[in-house]
Amino acid sequence: QKEVEQDPGPLSVPEGAIVSLNCTYSNSAFQYFMWYRQYSRKGPELLMYTYSSGNKEDGRFTAQVDKSSKYISLFIRDSQPSDSATYLCAMSGAGSYQLTFGKGTKLSVIP
Amino acid sequence: DTGVSQDPRHKITKRGQNVTFRCDPISEHNRLYWYRQTLGQGPEFLTYFQNEAQLEKSRLLSDRFSAERPKGSFSTLEIQRTEQGDSAMYLCASSLRPDTQYFGPGTRLTVL
Repeated sequence: QKEVEQDPGPLSVPEGAIVSLNCTYSNSAFQYFMWYRQYSRKGPELLMYTYSSGNKEDGRFTAQVDKSSKYISLFIRDSQPSDSATYLCAMSGAGSYQLTFGKGTKLSVIP
Repeated sequence: DTGVSQDPRHKITKRGQNVTFRCDPISEHNRLYWYRQTLGQGPEFLTYFQNEAQLEKSRLLSDRFSAERPKGSFSTLEIQRTEQGDSAMYLCASSLRPDTQYFGPGTRLTVL
C-alpha cells in the first residue's frame, strides 16, 4: 500500500461545476497537508496548505482535512477552463521536510 | 521574478554521460529540496538542504547522484554515468517552513 493514494482520473466537468478532489493516507505521522496544481510540463504550484483538521478557504478553493479518517479533500467552486490541470496532494510529518505526493488527478473543465 | 529558477530547462544526453543541473532558490529561503517526477507520477523526494548542510537523502539517491549547496545559496544536482531510467523531470523547491515548499519550473532530462 502506498503512503498516499490519489485517484489519477481523468476527471472531466462542465464549467461552473463544483469539483471534489481527494487523497487518503496511511501514515498517521503526517502533520502538514498541501495541494499543488501542475500544468503540463510545468513545476507544481502551491495552492493550499494546512496542518489541522477542518476546513480552510481561499477564494474558490477549500481544503479539508480529516485526520481521524486520514482523508483530505480539495473543493473548487465555480470551476473555470483555466483550472484544467493536474492536482497533486502532498503531506509531510513533524520534523521532516520531505513531501510525499499522491499521483495527481488530471482535471479538465469543459467550457 | 523572485521565484525558484532552474537551469537548464531541458537537457538531452547520451547514456553514460554526466549531467549537472542548477537551482536558485527564493532568496530568503534557507531550505532547498530536490525531487524527481516521472510521467503520470507525483514528485518523489531526493534530498534536502538546510543552508549548506545536506540533512536528508532518499534511498532513490544512488551513488551516481550527488547534490551540493555551497554557501547555502544555489544548489547543483549531478548525475554521473546517466542511464535511460534517469529520464525524468528534476524539480527544485525552496521554503522557510515545511508546509510551504515552492517549486521551480523543473529540468526535463532525456537520456538517449
